[in-house]
Amino acid sequence: DTGVSQNPRHKITKRGQNVTFRCDPISEHNRLYWYRQTLGQGPEFLTYFQNEAQLEKSRLLSDRFSAERPKGSFSTLEIQRTEQGDSAMYLCASSLTRNQETQYFGPGTRLLVL
Amino acid sequence: AQTVTQSQPEMSVQEAETVTLSCTYDTSESDYYLFWYKQPPSRQMILVIRQEAYKQQNATENRFSVNFQKAAKSFSLKISDSQLGDAAMYFCAYRSSPGDYGGSQGNLIFGKGTKLSVKP
Repeated sequence: DTGVSQNPRHKITKRGQNVTFRCDPISEHNRLYWYRQTLGQGPEFLTYFQNEAQLEKSRLLSDRFSAERPKGSFSTLEIQRTEQGDSAMYLCASSLTRNQETQYFGPGTRLLVL
Repeated sequence: AQTVTQSQPEMSVQEAETVTLSCTYDTSESDYYLFWYKQPPSRQMILVIRQEAYKQQNATENRFSVNFQKAAKSFSLKISDSQLGDAAMYFCAYRSSPGDYGGSQGNLIFGKGTKLSVKP
């Protein structure tokens, strides 16, 4: 068990550019969550996968955001036409249904949009 | 919709002393889970303790224990024998039970956090 990993750890981009983040969950975890955390706030839910199916999206997830989880393993979160308001820490978490749904978090990807 | 409130933005404790972090929540559900997560300066969120709402017994994990008051919708975290390594942001979180998701698929709802400092 190597834990949840996320890449890159830091990303600086210019407004209007597209960015993509990757999350590798704990192996065999069937559920994967994306959260966004801004400074001084708790994480806010963005979207959720069970295996390869994206089952829920938050209203926070505008149409510039898209997430995938091909084959039910790793997941990617893409932000198109980034805006300064997208600057935040993007956290990924995974869980196993049988384990009472405890979510284990990755280290996050910190995005700065200039 | 469920909400989680942490009314203490910052707390401070002397090393080896005990500190209690407060959390209240609002829900109309009868079954749910409550969590305390720790986020050290490196910012990786770590689970501290978990409580199932249907269990009356308060959860305990070594130096960490909770005071779960279901009727009052209160879920405080007590840290005994505080250590320098306990310094971090602490987040209280709520999650619907697997059989009661409604519109939620089990995502966590977090409070704004409490920054705990430990003085040597």
